[in-house]
Amino acid sequence: DAGVIQSPRHEVTEMGQEVTLRCKPISGHDYLFWYRQTMMRGLELLIYFNNNVPIDDSGMPEDRFSAKMPNASFSTLKIQPSEPRDSAVYFCASSSVGYGYTFGSGTRLTVV
Amino acid sequence: KQEVTQIPAALSVPEGENLVLNCSFTDSAIYNLQWFRQDPGKGLTSLLLIQSSQREQTSGRLNASLDKSSGRSTLYIAASQPGDSATYLCAVQNYGGATNKLIFGTGTLLAVQP
Repeated sequence: DAGVIQSPRHEVTEMGQEVTLRCKPISGHDYLFWYRQTMMRGLELLIYFNNNVPIDDSGMPEDRFSAKMPNASFSTLKIQPSEPRDSAVYFCASSSVGYGYTFGSGTRLTVV
Repeated sequence: KQEVTQIPAALSVPEGENLVLNCSFTDSAIYNLQWFRQDPGKGLTSLLLIQSSQREQTSGRLNASLDKSSGRSTLYIAASQPGDSATYLCAVQNYGGATNKLIFGTGTLLAVQP
């Protein structure tokens, strides 16, 4: 298995633009998580899905953030409009009950 | 609310030393505990997963122990090497509800000097 695949690896965008981050989980994993990592706050859970259904989105910072999982092999995290304070590394991870998490390599987002 | 703490926040040791990283958690009703390594600018790599029924797990020079009653886990690294330099994170997964989310500690930044 190629692991959890995220794209793009790096994204630089201007304030106000829409940003879409993508994730392909490991085949057979029924949980998918979106995390954000910054120096100030460390790793924060934004939202997670179970069997493509959002279970807990309490970590999504505001309405500018949205996430979808249209099928078991794909998820997106969208920020619209983006702001400089959204600059961070965004990680996607997948797992199954009883197994550990596998993380993707992350997307480094810079909003200027 | 589960809180995970790692001590020390940073550690520098000479090559070849054995070392211990500590992780503590406030709620002992955990499902499992996982240790990760993160290299600068990279993602998280899973090192060891300890289920709640287990006391320890070993992989090569790494040994992780779990004491649920005291809310503690340690990661032991034998014969450290410069390539071990990274940030080490522990994370716990709680029992209860439909949740499967991991709660992360703040990490220990390890530097192994050649």
